[in-house]
Amino acid sequence: KAGVTQTPRYLIKTRGQQVTLSCSPISGHRSVSWYQQTPGQGLQFLFEYFSETQRNKGNFPGRFSGRQFSNSRSEMNVSTLELGDSALYLCASSLSGGAGYGYTFGSGTRLTVV
Amino acid sequence: ELKVEQNPLFLSMQEGKNYTIYCNYSTTSDRLYWYRQDPGKSLESLFVLLSNGAVKQEGRLMASLDTKARLSTLHITAAVHDLSATYFCAVLREGAQKLVFGQGTRLTINP
Repeated sequence: KAGVTQTPRYLIKTRGQQVTLSCSPISGHRSVSWYQQTPGQGLQFLFEYFSETQRNKGNFPGRFSGRQFSNSRSEMNVSTLELGDSALYLCASSLSGGAGYGYTFGSGTRLTVV
Repeated sequence: ELKVEQNPLFLSMQEGKNYTIYCNYSTTSDRLYWYRQDPGKSLESLFVLLSNGAVKQEGRLMASLDTKARLSTLHITAAVHDLSATYFCAVLREGAQKLVFGQGTRLTINP
């Protein structure tokens, strides 16, 4: 059974650019969540999608956006990159999100903004 | 606002010893998760605790949940070097489908 696939694994971008990260959940899972991990702030929730709808959003600026496709794959976009956006971005796959279901995390995308 | 606090944040111990990591959270929740993270790697699911009094064990690790005290513990028995990692607890924020994580406990086990 394939796990959660995140691409790319590593990215280096320049301030002001934009970036798109991709996450393919476990087959049959309809919920995809995104988290940002930094040494200073730890693991923080970005947003969660279920059946192509954003159900929840964390406290991040509007430069962070996402979407989910009909096959449950999700993309996250960050526009006008800042140095502080350098982080490990993790996506989590769940059957329906919460309520007794586990969350399986992908390997992450490490974004470096220079 | 749901807050999750772990202690200790750093733990250095010798092989063969026992120790416990504590996870306190601030509001009612019946869903608590423990994860392990190795340096530069993703989060590996260890335990999902779904109800008050839940206890789960896997090898040298045992996790428990007391929802009335808003406390979960991760107990390590007879530690071995391979258990060196950072351990996170996370609480599901009800109705929000989001995990709120603790700060993590960096565990180092010395031979």
